[in-house]
Amino acid sequence: AQSVAQPEDQVNVAEGNPLTVKCTYSVSGNPYLFWYVQYPNRGLQFLLKYITGDNLVKGSYGFEAEFNKSQTSFHLKKPSALVSDSALYFCAAISTGSARQLTFGSGTQLTVLP
Amino acid sequence: DSGVTQTPKHLITATGQRVTLRCSPRSGDLSVYWYQQSLDQGLQFLIQYYNGEERAKGNILERFSAQQFPDLHSELNLSSLELGDSALYFCASSVSGESRYEQYFGPGTRLTVT
Repeated sequence: AQSVAQPEDQVNVAEGNPLTVKCTYSVSGNPYLFWYVQYPNRGLQFLLKYITGDNLVKGSYGFEAEFNKSQTSFHLKKPSALVSDSALYFCAAISTGSARQLTFGSGTQLTVLP
Repeated sequence: DSGVTQTPKHLITATGQRVTLRCSPRSGDLSVYWYQQSLDQGLQFLIQYYNGEERAKGNILERFSAQQFPDLHSELNLSSLELGDSALYFCASSVSGESRYEQYFGPGTRLTVT
């Protein structure tokens, strides 16, 4: 069975500081990994994905994520946080094997303090 | 704006009733997914359709059903509603049914069962 863990319900960071939102996954075989962001009263927005290749993936709005196969992690990062980055972030995973459904983590609320 | 539309935006109904939620995917997308988001369960995959055919089933109750029509719009039918069905229901679409493609989410339908 697939599972995704986001160990932190809440992350607070000061504006201008680097931010990290953590994600670990468990899938059989090789994973496809995604990050989505949800602003209040909105649907989820795609940020970036890892399919294969370079372990460092760059996405929208200056976000990037690092795939670490040995640690089964896919942490989301940004060098300098903005107040407008405050939102709910979801990590998601799917096996490249037979599983067809995307499994989401429980979400991490990021608050960037001015 | 993701290009995915959902109607209605809000729905308030009583226990035991039946409702239909509607989704129009992005132009050109063949795959439609339905999700339920609630505070206690998080984001749960319900069902996927690809080009009119059911492709994958997740944690969908027997009281719930869905279909995708020839014009690719989809409807999610919820019947014998219970208080616990109150949640945000999202539709998402992707260009293909393959798991490596990102999904684009609609703004959601907020269902309140009283």
